[in-house]
Amino acid sequence: QSALTQPASVSGSPGQSITISCTGTSSDVGIYNLVSWYQQHPGKAPKFMIYEVNKRSSGVSVRFSGSKSGNTATLTISGLQAEDEADYYCCSYAGSSTFVFGTGTKVTVL
Amino acid sequence: EEQLAESGGGLVKPGGSLRLSCSSSGVTFSSYSMNWVRQAPGKGLEWVSSISSSSGYISYADSVKGRFTISRDNAKKSLFLQMNSLTAEDTAIYYCARDLSLSIDVWGQGTTVTVSS
Repeated sequence: QSALTQPASVSGSPGQSITISCTGTSSDVGIYNLVSWYQQHPGKAPKFMIYEVNKRSSGVSVRFSGSKSGNTATLTISGLQAEDEADYYCCSYAGSSTFVFGTGTKVTVL
Repeated sequence: EEQLAESGGGLVKPGGSLRLSCSSSGVTFSSYSMNWVRQAPGKGLEWVSSISSSSGYISYADSVKGRFTISRDNAKKSLFLQMNSLTAEDTAIYYCARDLSLSIDVWGQGTTVTVSS
């Protein structure tokens, strides 16, 4: 049950695109197309953004997209906006009704 | 839309116990598996435990196995987490969260547990 690996921080200027990687193993990310992404602003509960690798949750901007290759999932934020500044976490189903979260990435809008 | 509300957090001494509750406002609570997820101060999210809709299947993170017990009461649309033998490492915000077909979607606002002497 080791945490998925994410970069500690990613930054970009308004309007740019950024990517956040989420690396797991063949026991979680690599075997299940059940990767979710969450946005968390300070002092708030996580917000459900992406599920099943690339499906957007209701009401989530099309600027957010997900993908996966092998043991690594990726969240892409296009047209970066000031309100996107937050912490982002990936999560994968890991079998036997267990889940594993990523280490988290702080996104800074320059 | 389903809303979740946790309660029961507080300050407890090391070695002590605490029982968290989560109340659902949705009419379909009994149809979903539920989870507890925690977040230590300044740290990331950690999955803690899961329980299936009928309580037939339960799982725990290694870090809490043998100390925490998850349960639910579908008639009262409530989820519980009994926490025993608490240590400082259990200090965190505890979130109740719904499992939508193996994706955790709806989250409560969390309840804070502080383990300190």
